[in-house]
Amino acid sequence: QKEVEQDPGPLSVPEGAIVSLNCTYSNSAFQYFMWYRQYSRKGPELLMYTYSSGNKEDGRFTAQVDKSSKYISLFIRDSQPSDSATYLCAMSGGSQGNLIFGKGTKLSVKP
Amino acid sequence: NAGVMQNPRHLVRRRGQEARLRCSPMKGHSHVYWYRQLPEEGLKFMVYLQKENIIDESGMPKERFSAEFPKEGPSILRIQQVVRGDSAAYFCASSLTTTRDTEAFFGQGTRLTVV
Repeated sequence: QKEVEQDPGPLSVPEGAIVSLNCTYSNSAFQYFMWYRQYSRKGPELLMYTYSSGNKEDGRFTAQVDKSSKYISLFIRDSQPSDSATYLCAMSGGSQGNLIFGKGTKLSVKP
Repeated sequence: NAGVMQNPRHLVRRRGQEARLRCSPMKGHSHVYWYRQLPEEGLKFMVYLQKENIIDESGMPKERFSAEFPKEGPSILRIQQVVRGDSAAYFCASSLTTTRDTEAFFGQGTRLTVV
């Protein structure tokens, strides 16, 4: 079993839809959970960061962490074509820099 | 304040040559991390360095790969005697500290192609 599992998609939704992206993990020592957005041929950009369990909201983005189920989610409300990118979940037990990434989910938001 | 700068953006090497990838962290950042992204794969941690020290190299292949972060100048990831399987995007990230509230910023990556 891989440490972090993420459905690669692709996921295609119409503009304005609510998008749900998910990752599961196996290492109960993970405490830091992040979501990165990566546009084609660019570097990853941090979207959301959560420490331990709980929810965090930032504008149209909501991140949820359920440590009991080892499951994290990213919700995007009122999705826009500019949200079209690959979304990577990442997590670690300690240093923010030594991250374990999922493979990424490719999202396409159609106008 | 410039972000994490990586160069070159694209690098083509023939099998057996050496590849040198450079990373200048954000101003004031003393923690540097290198990741590799193979096609259709997520990013894989390679090495974590602070100035003049390798802190964690658990993700580095045992042979042909080395990294340094000297007191002055950029961090360098060196791949000797490259093979086709080394073709990938290599990303560098830097952070101010490693505490829980410190973000790691990524560069745009160096895309290495081995022909």
